[in-house]
Amino acid sequence: AQKVTQAQTEISVVEKEDVTLDCVYETRDTTYYLFWYKQPPSGELVFLIRRNSFDEQNEISGRYSWNFQKSTSSFNFTITASQVVDSAVYFCALSEAGGRRALTFGSGTRLQVQP
Amino acid sequence: GAVVSQHPSWVICKSGTSVKIECRSLDFQATTMFWYRQFPKQSLMLMATSNEGSKATYEQGVEKDKFLINHASLTLSTLTVTSAHPEDSSFYICSARGERGTGGIQYFGAGTRLSVL
Repeated sequence: AQKVTQAQTEISVVEKEDVTLDCVYETRDTTYYLFWYKQPPSGELVFLIRRNSFDEQNEISGRYSWNFQKSTSSFNFTITASQVVDSAVYFCALSEAGGRRALTFGSGTRLQVQP
Repeated sequence: GAVVSQHPSWVICKSGTSVKIECRSLDFQATTMFWYRQFPKQSLMLMATSNEGSKATYEQGVEKDKFLINHASLTLSTLTVTSAHPEDSSFYICSARGERGTGGIQYFGAGTRLSVL
């Protein structure tokens, strides 16, 4: 069975601070995908990144960066120089590489960026 | 990213009535669509998976007769909440995945907030 744990329920930072959202996963599959989605107050989930289990290279996209460490089953997400618009709930998710590839979501981390 | 349209965004209905929610992939063909339910301040719970032209696969504990899913075409899936009751009030979100043009990534609709009186 797959499981995704986001231990941080809520995080509050002041604008321009860096913040890291933690994600730890469990799976018996050797091939799988990891995702991060952002859910702003409007409700729509916005896709941020997908990472293949075979690709452990860290990725940077603007102010966003992701650190994938297979040894610790973690896929952490860092926002550099946070902005008020980053306020949202962030979900980490895991899917099998084959079959239905349904997403297993973590419980989400609510990020509040104060001006 | 790919665009998924979900309608209506908000619906209020009386207990006992049925409500239909539409999920459309606007710029890609969705071989698979998913329906999720989300309670306030909680994560998304997968309800069912649908593939075009075949019966939906429901998750354990989800009533097939209560939540009817139809995936009639490669761009449209519908969820009908039949004989809705107040406990069905929730936020329902669909997602769509296509093999071409989306890299197999699930893209989500904006969600439908259902309130049953």
